[in-house]
Amino acid sequence: AQSVTQPDIHITVSEGASLELRCNYSYGATPYLFWYVQSPGQGLQLLLKYFSGDTLVQGIKGFEAEFKRSQSSFNLRKPSVHWSDAAEYFCAVGANSGGYQKVTFGTGTKLQVIP
Amino acid sequence: GAVVSQHPSRVICKSGTSVKIECRSLDFQATTMFWYRQFPKQSLMLMATSNEGSKATYEQGVEKDKFLINHASLTLSTLTVTSAHPEDSSFYICSANLQGALVTTDTQYFGPGTRLTVL
Repeated sequence: AQSVTQPDIHITVSEGASLELRCNYSYGATPYLFWYVQSPGQGLQLLLKYFSGDTLVQGIKGFEAEFKRSQSSFNLRKPSVHWSDAAEYFCAVGANSGGYQKVTFGTGTKLQVIP
Repeated sequence: GAVVSQHPSRVICKSGTSVKIECRSLDFQATTMFWYRQFPKQSLMLMATSNEGSKATYEQGVEKDKFLINHASLTLSTLTVTSAHPEDSSFYICSANLQGALVTTDTQYFGPGTRLTVL
């Protein structure tokens, strides 16, 4: 079975600083990888996804993520954080399970942005 | 495009009552919808996979008689929490695959969630 680890529960960065959120996955085959963002009391918004091809994936809101198979990682990055980026970020892995894509989420990283 | 709505966004009910949550795909048809549950400060856990016109597939540990799922049309799936108890209080989120999409690979589109509080 697949699993996702987000080692950082909470991260605080200054506005304008760079950001990297860590994600490690465990899956026996080629994974489908996602990053979602959730604002308080809201649903999930897809930031970006990796299925195949270029290992550096560009997403919305200036985010990017790099798939590194050798490290089983899919870290999310942003060069300059804005106050509106404060939210909870979930890394997820999708796998074919009985004909469906079963998505397993990490425990999330809460991002706080300070002025 | 690919908007998923949920209704209600927030519901408070008394213990022992049943609550129905609707999940609708607004601008696309969804053969497959998924129901997740999120406890405070925790991640989302898949509860069940809902297929239009057939029975839902429940994850291990999820009581199918307590969490009734009906996917009656290509745009609507409902989750009914029967005989709700305080421990059922949670944030319930649905998601949907585009009809015709490869459900094994294509992205799920998530609804905004429903906050259930059982008193």
